[in-house]
Amino acid sequence: GAGVSQTPSNKVTEKGKYVELRCDPISGHTALYWYRQSLGQGPEFLIYFQGTGAADDSGLPNDRFFAVRPEGSVSTLKIQRTERGDSAVYLCASSFRTPGELFFGEGSRLTVL
Amino acid sequence: GIQVEQSPPDLILQEGANSTLRCNFSDSVNNLQWFHQNPWGQLINLFYIPSGTKQNGRLSATTVATERYSLLYISSSQTTDSGVYFCAPPSNFGNEKLTFGTGTRLTIIP
Repeated sequence: GAGVSQTPSNKVTEKGKYVELRCDPISGHTALYWYRQSLGQGPEFLIYFQGTGAADDSGLPNDRFFAVRPEGSVSTLKIQRTERGDSAVYLCASSFRTPGELFFGEGSRLTVL
Repeated sequence: GIQVEQSPPDLILQEGANSTLRCNFSDSVNNLQWFHQNPWGQLINLFYIPSGTKQNGRLSATTVATERYSLLYISSSQTTDSGVYFCAPPSNFGNEKLTFGTGTRLTIIP
């Protein structure tokens, strides 16, 4: 597509539920990144994919968070047993090469009640 | 990893004014991006500027990697320039993941 596409744009869930957030990168971009942004803060790195493999997952806060990119294009961020502290905007970005210019989607706003 | 400081944290200007936003970082970089986050939360690419100076309309940016800072200049501000401006160098030299500062919140008053 023309830009990075993220769905859903908004997700409200209850504490303890499972959530999936989807990212469709710019066509031809091999690198894909997930970031998380809390209110009043800059985005924080979660995980980076080069092709199908997670090249760096050092930013994932704990084992409740997991991400996949099975065919090297679309990625899904999965959060198990959600907690209220997981509430944030989850941003996805892609780049044509690494290191290279990152382009961000509009984000998925997650609210855990 | 790299430390990023942006100043000022907040800036309120009249429409038509000029401004300079500063980004200091703690280590050498070979990559740096400036973003504008609009009031709807979208991160818009402004510049990919590991070194030197670039200009795009009313905006320009300069990165002096040897002195570990970058500047964003906005001239003849418009209300649509309001939002938060982030600079983002890589977490380590040559690394692919960006580290964001806390941003400068710019408010342009008509």
